[in-house]
Amino acid sequence: GAVVSQHPSWVICKSGTSVKIECRSLDFQATTMFWYRQFPKQSLMLMATSNEGSKATYEQGVEKDKFLINHASLTLSTLTVTSAHPEDSSFYICSARDAGGPEHEQYFGPGTRLTVT
Amino acid sequence: GQNIDQPTEMTATEGAIVQINCTYQTSGFNGLFWYQQHAGEAPTFLSYNVLDGLEEKGRFSSFLSRSKGYSYLLLKELQMKDSASYLCAYLDSNYQLIWGAGTKLIIKP
Repeated sequence: GAVVSQHPSWVICKSGTSVKIECRSLDFQATTMFWYRQFPKQSLMLMATSNEGSKATYEQGVEKDKFLINHASLTLSTLTVTSAHPEDSSFYICSARDAGGPEHEQYFGPGTRLTVT
Repeated sequence: GQNIDQPTEMTATEGAIVQINCTYQTSGFNGLFWYQQHAGEAPTFLSYNVLDGLEEKGRFSSFLSRSKGYSYLLLKELQMKDSASYLCAYLDSNYQLIWGAGTKLIIKP
């Protein structure tokens, strides 16, 4: 089946530093990837939609200069949290849509737990 | 607009049956998903309904009524490992997932 990986699975960083999270589709090509954020006891919130070779589309309220998304290849999208602050501590999950599959299907990565101290 | 509701928490007994309801209101609809999420993990796919009716998959079944904006997830023969959050989400007209807040299911022996 379709597998999506994320790296790292967890990261601790100091306030003011930047951290990069990678999302990879391992056995399929993903023209579209989605980045979600989930705070404790809350549901997933879509941050942005990442399309290969073009700029990401950010949801309302998400700062594009703070959450940099790069989707340079059909199998890799990265999310960089710049100048991280404790309130950015969250569970970040990516999902990917198979370019050759049904449009309704998304495959989720295992998530990245970010803690900013 | 985007509006999707499900109960915050439910409790059931091991071996029993539980039904988790989800209602939604949207002008564009391309199907409804149910996901299971254990604490600290990403959601895992359970079911997808795009047409009205009941889809059965082992111990889990999912129902959809598009005219009523209503879905439910039915879990039979509950096991302790079924303790998790269950998220319903619909696909809007742009094929983006709109998520409910999740229902925390507690299974008691």
